[in-house]
Amino acid sequence: DADVTQTPRNRITKTGKRIMLECSQTKGHDRMYWYRQDPGLGLRLIYYSFDVKDINKGEISDGYSVSRQAQAKFSLSLESAIPNQTALYFCATSDLTFGGTDTQYFGPGTRLTVL
Amino acid sequence: DAKTTQPPSMDCAEGRAANLPCNHSTISGNEYVYWYRQIHSQGPQYIIHGLKNNETNEMASLIITEDRKSSTLILPHATLRDTAVYYCIVRGSGTYKYIFGTGTRLKVLA
Repeated sequence: DADVTQTPRNRITKTGKRIMLECSQTKGHDRMYWYRQDPGLGLRLIYYSFDVKDINKGEISDGYSVSRQAQAKFSLSLESAIPNQTALYFCATSDLTFGGTDTQYFGPGTRLTVL
Repeated sequence: DAKTTQPPSMDCAEGRAANLPCNHSTISGNEYVYWYRQIHSQGPQYIIHGLKNNETNEMASLIITEDRKSSTLILPHATLRDTAVYYCIVRGSGTYKYIFGTGTRLKVLA
């Protein structure tokens, strides 16, 4: 979805390096998420944020940190990258509707390789 | 959230309807059925969701059985660009959590 952008789209880095993945959205949504996907597997939630002052750990947050700089921006950092963090990373956004549903819209992804 | 079961793969001829089944026998009353697809390694794309009634949009139709224990996503006229992995997800209203399983790999054949 062009309303959710991720940079970089591809990144190769070395073990021990710090790396930041950025996500921006123009959908005006309050909620933002970071997921990772490993080959042949579904998506797993790393962190999520319901508004600028709200940050929550997902199921696999170890080794990652996030920053919600504004409603439209949510960054994921790997403080010291390791090879098993090689994966596809997706950002998503959503807003809670009046009916209580919460449809998430995903960015194009960042392919990260840690050597 | 209820677990879902989908066939690992399906083929469909181009121009024909693709019917993708999903079982969610433990679904509870306030849980919605969502469908997403992922084309190659792109970001998952929202398709449709529903609670009880059948739903239709410009992409697909969603048929939910009366007991809500299963559903079918219908792509009425499949094209080669519909080749993707399709995920059926059941989640409660107000929850942020999506559980992506392994989905159904749909291959549309020319």
